Amino acid sequence: KAGVTQTPRYLIKTRGQQVTLSCSPISGHRSVSWYQQTPGQGLQFLFEYFSETQRNKGNFPGRFSGRQFSNSRSEMNVSTLELGDSALYLCASSLGDRKYGYTFGSGTRLTVV
Amino acid sequence: DQQVKQNSPSLSVQEGRISILNCDYTNSMFDYFLWYKKYPAEGPTFLISISSIKDKNEDGRFTVFLNKSAKHLSLHIVPSQPGDSAVYFCAALIQGAQKLVFGQGTRLTINP
Repeated sequence: KAGVTQTPRYLIKTRGQQVTLSCSPISGHRSVSWYQQTPGQGLQFLFEYFSETQRNKGNFPGRFSGRQFSNSRSEMNVSTLELGDSALYLCASSLGDRKYGYTFGSGTRLTVV
Repeated sequence: DQQVKQNSPSLSVQEGRISILNCDYTNSMFDYFLWYKKYPAEGPTFLISISSIKDKNEDGRFTVFLNKSAKHLSLHIVPSQPGDSAVYFCAALIQGAQKLVFGQGTRLTINP
């Protein structure tokens, strides 16, 4: 079956702009999470959605937001981009069985210039 | 506050030998621990997990050991193969929350 699909794979934006990243989870997975990976901070949790509701949120400023649609697809948005937002953004989906954790997509590499 | 720590940034092992990756944690509220493998430009791939009520879980060449009193877990790979060369992340789930807390990762290199 198809894995977690993230689009686009690569993105270059200018400081001050906003960006929207998209994630299609594995069919049947209703929980979708987002993570940011940077060389300095490693992999950090952004937020998690289940049935269109945000259930968990990480320690990121309000410029980072997300949503989930009725088909479980999710988007995350970053407004007023800063240079430090350059990172690999990973989406992951889950059926909810904790022992299998999450299945990750290949990520979107965002570069802010 | 680094709740999950992987103190070795890198590890080099000869092909066929055992690779042991270590991880320490501080939060007693973690109820599941997981290991992920990551190649450059790809997302992490789930390897194996262990519940906090167990002390060992095995899956093929991969075994995870959990020592709750020491708040320490380790991943054993036997025998190590060249395709195992990657960055390995230890992660933990907090009770009642669907939020993975990751360690900083250990780069494993398997030498022929």
